[in-house]
Amino acid sequence: DGGITQSPKYLFRKEGQNVTLSCEQNLNHDAMYWYRQDPGQGLRLIYYSQIVNDFQKGDIAEGYSVSREKKESFPLTVTSAQKNPTAFYLCASSTSRASPLHFGNGTRLTVT
Amino acid sequence: GQQLNQSPQSMFIQEGEDVSMNCTSSSIFNTWLWYKQEPGEGPVLLIALYKAGELTSNGRLTAQFGITRKDSFLNISASIPSDVGIYFCAGQGGATNKLIFGTGTLLAVQP
Repeated sequence: DGGITQSPKYLFRKEGQNVTLSCEQNLNHDAMYWYRQDPGQGLRLIYYSQIVNDFQKGDIAEGYSVSREKKESFPLTVTSAQKNPTAFYLCASSTSRASPLHFGNGTRLTVT
Repeated sequence: GQQLNQSPQSMFIQEGEDVSMNCTSSSIFNTWLWYKQEPGEGPVLLIALYKAGELTSNGRLTAQFGITRKDSFLNISASIPSDVGIYFCAGQGGATNKLIFGTGTLLAVQP
């Protein structure tokens, strides 16, 4: 079945460590996205990529980095510079920037 | 970043009741999307709207793209316990074609 796979489901890290969240899709979608979700808030865009080897900052890119070396994969690194990294992270993809997003099941990151 | 005004924030209803929620924006959108998110999962697309005035159904769910292109409505008829979750609207448009999410409506259904 086609879909978006995020791993791991839960991730725990110590403050000061970088951590990378995985996102893989087999939908043959060109565009991929990373969102952050905090309780009581809507989804906020961190980074997006419309094509391989290209990506753009979203609304809250500070303290995060991404890469898009393959069409299927869009890993997100939460760096030690991110001041409040504990959150639920959602990866999404779409056929194009104008098409509806399809989401993965998220990774809950807890940093202590 | 910009967010849509979504209301109500939460709803606690009895099974069988109908539900209405809406989103409004100061900006004009070309697309309205409605998603449902269950605890610990990613949002799932329910309905996509592409034209002002469009009314689209998906089972017991009906959504409308407002005539002004600045609002959208989602109705759920005859609610059941599995309707529980957070419902998000999302609007897309403008020069950047950016997708903007509402803050969500938490729906609780009591059997």
